[in-house]
Amino acid sequence: DAKTTQPTSMDCAEGRAANLPCNHSTISGNEYVYWYRQIHSQGPQYIIHGLKNNETNEMASLIITEDRKSSTLILPHATLRDTAVYYCIVRVAGSGNTPLVFGKGTRLSVIA
Amino acid sequence: ETGVTQTPRHLVMGMTNKKSLKCEQHLGHNAMYWYKQSAKKPLELMFVYNFKEQTENNSVPSRFSPECPNSSHLFLHLHTLQPEDSALYLCASSQERVGGTDTQYFGPGTRLTVL
Repeated sequence: DAKTTQPTSMDCAEGRAANLPCNHSTISGNEYVYWYRQIHSQGPQYIIHGLKNNETNEMASLIITEDRKSSTLILPHATLRDTAVYYCIVRVAGSGNTPLVFGKGTRLSVIA
Repeated sequence: ETGVTQTPRHLVMGMTNKKSLKCEQHLGHNAMYWYKQSAKKPLELMFVYNFKEQTENNSVPSRFSPECPNSSHLFLHLHTLQPEDSALYLCASSQERVGGTDTQYFGPGTRLTVL
């Protein structure tokens, strides 16, 4: 079973920031938070991951609370191409190529 | 992205056919995975290969047979499938990093339909 809880769906206006929350209240000290997204019928796309500190890359920012029990993925300027299912996954670091456990994710709809 | 490629992208087969799915990774990784995604279900792990050795078989029926001839190629051989095996089959690869993270990168998938 997935160790995370995400809202089933969200809408976001084009050009606005999309903030996708994730709860992972049972996260362990050595577990990272990963975010992937899946555009309809394509393979999942890696977005970002983090352990404790906030992270930013060219796609998104990841904000992790101090107690690490929740996090937020931020897409700063959402476009129609960001419409996808977004998955938040927790996983042990350096765990010998263990598989990802996907939940149901959040279906983000970006609206023009 | 072309780091992980899969062929064919679409496949229609009868229940008595034998076919193979191919995955190739161009990232220099040492682990490869097969996942299955049925309609309206989360991705499910099928097989894991580390350094060409199978390290996990997630209770997959024997009509699915994986093969990993080298660290860059992964096959999924299919025979006598059932209509309920129709799904999106996804390949992924990663590089194990001691004490670090090993991000998995996915291919575009093969959409399989079993008639």
